[in-house]
Amino acid sequence: SAVISQKPSRDICQRGTSLTIQCQVDSQVTMMFWYRQQPGQSLTLIATANQGSEATYESGFVIDKFPISRPNLTFSTLTVSNMSPEDSSIYLCSVDLSGSNYEQYFGPGTRLTVT
Amino acid sequence: LAKTTQPISMDSYEGQEVNITCSHNNIATNDYITWYQQFPSQGPRFIIQGYKTKVTNEVASLFIPADRKSSTLSLPRVSLSDTAVYYCLVGVYNQGGKLIFGQGTELSVKP
Repeated sequence: SAVISQKPSRDICQRGTSLTIQCQVDSQVTMMFWYRQQPGQSLTLIATANQGSEATYESGFVIDKFPISRPNLTFSTLTVSNMSPEDSSIYLCSVDLSGSNYEQYFGPGTRLTVT
Repeated sequence: LAKTTQPISMDSYEGQEVNITCSHNNIATNDYITWYQQFPSQGPRFIIQGYKTKVTNEVASLFIPADRKSSTLSLPRVSLSDTAVYYCLVGVYNQGGKLIFGQGTELSVKP
């Protein structure tokens, strides 16, 4: 298993600003993922972040809006840029330990409110 | 990736067995079926995964018929703490794959 922490746990931000969310894992992992969960909705994959390569973004998500860093095998950041109220969501990171991708471990999430 | 269909919500009482069925008519030969559980204010948690027939662990059982077009997650003797959203996912899980979450089933367990 893995222990995943995220910072901040929640934040309230003004529109037009940016917020960087940190994800820390207690073991080295190759693949990390970032998800968004809007209020009352399911999870939507934003991007896959592998160490040593550019993140791969899903349809509807672009690097300019959600830049991701993956400086090492235990850490990643997701930035939500030029925020609008529509970006109010819970942002979660996850990791795959087995390499099979079906058993992922998720962080507790960052609850973002944009006013 | 195969599309999944689950009931939006279910109600149950403590001590009952709960069965949540997921339809995945377009499942491919190499697809596995995985279930996740999400409590409020937490990230999802892996429950169980299977390919065919029956899989059982300490938390749940997963029943998959021969045609694999559906699957049933069975939770024995639920308690209030089993109140959560349960997600059924179907896909090819190998290096480079990804999880695609459907709408999930919100299970409410009442005393």
